[in-house]
Amino acid sequence: NAGVMQNPRHLVRRRGQEARLRCSPMKGHSHVYWYRQLPEEGLKFMVYLQKENIIDESGMPKERFSAEFPKEGPSILRIQQVVRGDSAAYFCASSPQGSGEKLFFGSGTQLSVL
Amino acid sequence: DQQVKQNSPSLSVQEGRISILNCDYTNSMFDYFLWYKKYPAEGPTFLISISSIKDKNEDGRFTVFLNKSAKHLSLHIVPSQPGDSAVYFCAASGYGGSQGNLIFGKGTKLSVKP
Repeated sequence: NAGVMQNPRHLVRRRGQEARLRCSPMKGHSHVYWYRQLPEEGLKFMVYLQKENIIDESGMPKERFSAEFPKEGPSILRIQQVVRGDSAAYFCASSPQGSGEKLFFGSGTQLSVL
Repeated sequence: DQQVKQNSPSLSVQEGRISILNCDYTNSMFDYFLWYKKYPAEGPTFLISISSIKDKNEDGRFTVFLNKSAKHLSLHIVPSQPGDSAVYFCAASGYGGSQGNLIFGKGTKLSVKP
């Protein structure tokens, strides 16, 4: 019974490049959430998606960031033209329908921008 | 402006003793609180939660207390074990955000010494 799978675990990009982070939710979970953790900070909500729909993107930066959760395949968090300030741990979480606030997190992707 | 505060970055406790982790919040609209535990290089794991209509919730060695008038909650671990050594995050929801849109504190690193 695999948990939430994120890849890659570590991603190194140079300034101006694109970063793509992938997340496969737990089997049977239809809700996906992305969080970001900057050094010495707590996790910050970015976006909440259901299949093919963005439900809440109130935590997403207005520019360069986008997320999708297609009908088939993993959820993707895309960061265009990365800057050093994007260096952080990005966590994906999933939950089943109606589970409330109990989220199941993946191990995260550590993004380093050189 | 931090809405969920964990003022102790670290806590050290002897094995077998009680660990008390504290969390304060500022938004009176919060109506659900959670504690997550995080080991290095892993994602947060749900530990225990409490609704604002209760003042205590217990699960094995873990008990969460909520004092709404003081906007304060605490997590008690009795007895503490070396395997409890991790970073503990307090989180809150219910301020009008969507499902899964949690506000996290910065965490408290607990070290349980044998």
